Amino acid sequence: DQQVKQNSPSLSVQEGRISILNCDYTNSMFDYFLWYKKYPAEGPTFLISISSIKDKNEDGRFTVFLNKSAKHLSLHIVPSQPGDSAVYFCAASATNTGNQFYFGTGTSLTVIP
Amino acid sequence: DGGITQSPKYLFRKEGQNVTLSCEQNLNHDAMYWYRQDPGQGLRLIYYSQIVNDFQKGDIAEGYSVSREKKESFPLTVTSAQKNPTAFYLCASKETDGNTIYFGEGSWLTVV
Repeated sequence: DQQVKQNSPSLSVQEGRISILNCDYTNSMFDYFLWYKKYPAEGPTFLISISSIKDKNEDGRFTVFLNKSAKHLSLHIVPSQPGDSAVYFCAASATNTGNQFYFGTGTSLTVIP
Repeated sequence: DGGITQSPKYLFRKEGQNVTLSCEQNLNHDAMYWYRQDPGQGLRLIYYSQIVNDFQKGDIAEGYSVSREKKESFPLTVTSAQKNPTAFYLCASKETDGNTIYFGEGSWLTVV
């Protein structure tokens, strides 16, 4: 039972354009959401997060949007750079789940120079 | 330099053998986690521990065992009961009052 879903396995974007990665969740108790970036054979690195009390959080080129009614979040990267090419995972947690984090299956982003 | 150290990076195991993956953190985090990554399946939780001497099963705990005797250490043993142990294993940790988990570099386990 996948509680966090990333329905696009891959995405290709031209350098300088916007990359939009999407994530859906099913558990309405989730109250914290995170995005991680992962290179092959390395551990994921934390990118950006958002609490359910907000609908937007921005950090440099990265912005995360949260739509609680749709149970949907997205990560915007603008402008996209070749170094952004990696697999991106979204994750969610709920205060009452004992520190458990649930991950999506990842979206592989390729930024074309 | 604070961080999470996993070892070994690459490990080969013969069928029927147990193997232990090491995870050490010097971040003073209370909670620690083990995840497994398989192609197309994202990260799946094996075990997690919120404090020393306490741990809980995750979604795919069968065939694995852990211990948490020290705050900084959370080793994972992959037993012979694990039917498909070949995977990339990730250890992570989190502050007690924090909302973000941080990962180590991962360990590749291959059964030969």
